[in-house]
Amino acid sequence: QSALTQPPSASGSPGQSVTISCTGTNSDVGGYNYVSWYQQHPGKAPKLMIYEVSKRPSGVPDRFSGSKSGNTASLTVSGLQAEDEADYYCSSYAGSNYVFGTGTKVTVL
Amino acid sequence: QVQVVESGGGVVQPGRSLRLSCAASGFTFSNYVMHWVRQAPGKGLEWVALISYDGSNKNYADSVKGRFTISRDNSKNTLYLQMNSLTVDDTAVYYCAKHFRWSSDYWGQGTLVTVSS
Repeated sequence: QSALTQPPSASGSPGQSVTISCTGTNSDVGGYNYVSWYQQHPGKAPKLMIYEVSKRPSGVPDRFSGSKSGNTASLTVSGLQAEDEADYYCSSYAGSNYVFGTGTKVTVL
Repeated sequence: QVQVVESGGGVVQPGRSLRLSCAASGFTFSNYVMHWVRQAPGKGLEWVALISYDGSNKNYADSVKGRFTISRDNSKNTLYLQMNSLTVDDTAVYYCAKHFRWSSDYWGQGTLVTVSS
């Protein structure tokens, strides 16, 4: 049950786009279309942003989008806004259990 | 509105036990898989355990298997996590989360467990 690999940090100016990768294996990311993404602000609980690779829960802006190719999933935040500055975690079903990514801190310059 | 509220955290000595609770409201608790997820101070999220809607199926992370037990009481809309043989590596904020389409859509604010002598 190794954590999925994410870059430690990513950044962009307001209005720009940022893409975060999430790399796993055939046993998790590559084996199922069950990747989700969470946003976490300091001291707060995680918030679901994307589920089943690319679906957005009600209330999540369409600036957030997800995709997957092979063993790597990606989250793209378009039109960056100040409130998007947060930690982002991917997660994948891994056949009876779940695994999270290492987390990426997104900074809005 | 959907709410999950954790309780039971605190300071405990290594080797001791602690039981966490999660009170759910605003949804039909007995229809949903539930999860526990933890986050060590300054670290990332770690999935801990899940339990099926009726309690018949339970899965655990390798790091807690054999020491932690997840359970639920659907008559009380409450989820539990019994933690035994605690070590300093179990120090974390523990979150209760409602399952949704292979993810978790509602999370509590967490309860802090500190394992220290």
